[in-house]
Amino acid sequence: GIQVEQSPPDLILQEGANSTLRCNFSDSVNNLQWFHQNPWGQLINLFYIPSGTKQNGRLSATTVATERYSLLYISSSQTTDSGVYFCAMHKTSYDKVIFGPGTSLSVIP
Amino acid sequence: GAVVSQHPSRVICKSGTSVKIECRSLDFQATTMFWYRQFPKQSLMLMATSNEGSKATYEQGVEKDKFLINHASLTLSTLTVTSAHPEDSSFYICSADHRVNTEAFFGQGTRLTVV
Repeated sequence: GIQVEQSPPDLILQEGANSTLRCNFSDSVNNLQWFHQNPWGQLINLFYIPSGTKQNGRLSATTVATERYSLLYISSSQTTDSGVYFCAMHKTSYDKVIFGPGTSLSVIP
Repeated sequence: GAVVSQHPSRVICKSGTSVKIECRSLDFQATTMFWYRQFPKQSLMLMATSNEGSKATYEQGVEKDKFLINHASLTLSTLTVTSAHPEDSSFYICSADHRVNTEAFFGQGTRLTVV
């Protein structure tokens, strides 16, 4: 099956700082998403990004499918950005989603 | 986007009792739903795949007699944790196969605490 790695595993940022989270995967995928899991456990869908670049406010993501990695950029971080960020992927919509191990982000004031 | 609703969001039960968790696709029909489990400080792992009108398929190591899955309609799948024990305490979350939209859509999750 697909192997997914995320780095760094843990990250502490001062409020206002920028960061880049990385996701590497071992096989080609048709569907890739980035999620933010908030302190209550809810998965917030940040991006559906099997390839290319997307931006949404302070967040942006880039996936280079041919090189099997994806990056999530967080700019001007806020304390509400704290939580765990997962990259997740699946072959088709009726396949299971495989999650990476996550990056735990803490943004301190 | 598609909406998946999960209920309850939080449940505390006594050891030995059973708990039922519901997963509904609100604005689309889902022939397949997925149940995931997340232990503290860990990632989400698939437990089982729920197929409408047929038996669920379970991942290796997941006890099918303990985690009963019923997918009786195209909009509802239920997960029943039978004879719950403290080690079953976890975060359970479902997703539904939209088919048309290839994104994965997840419910809000259920935090189960067995005391």
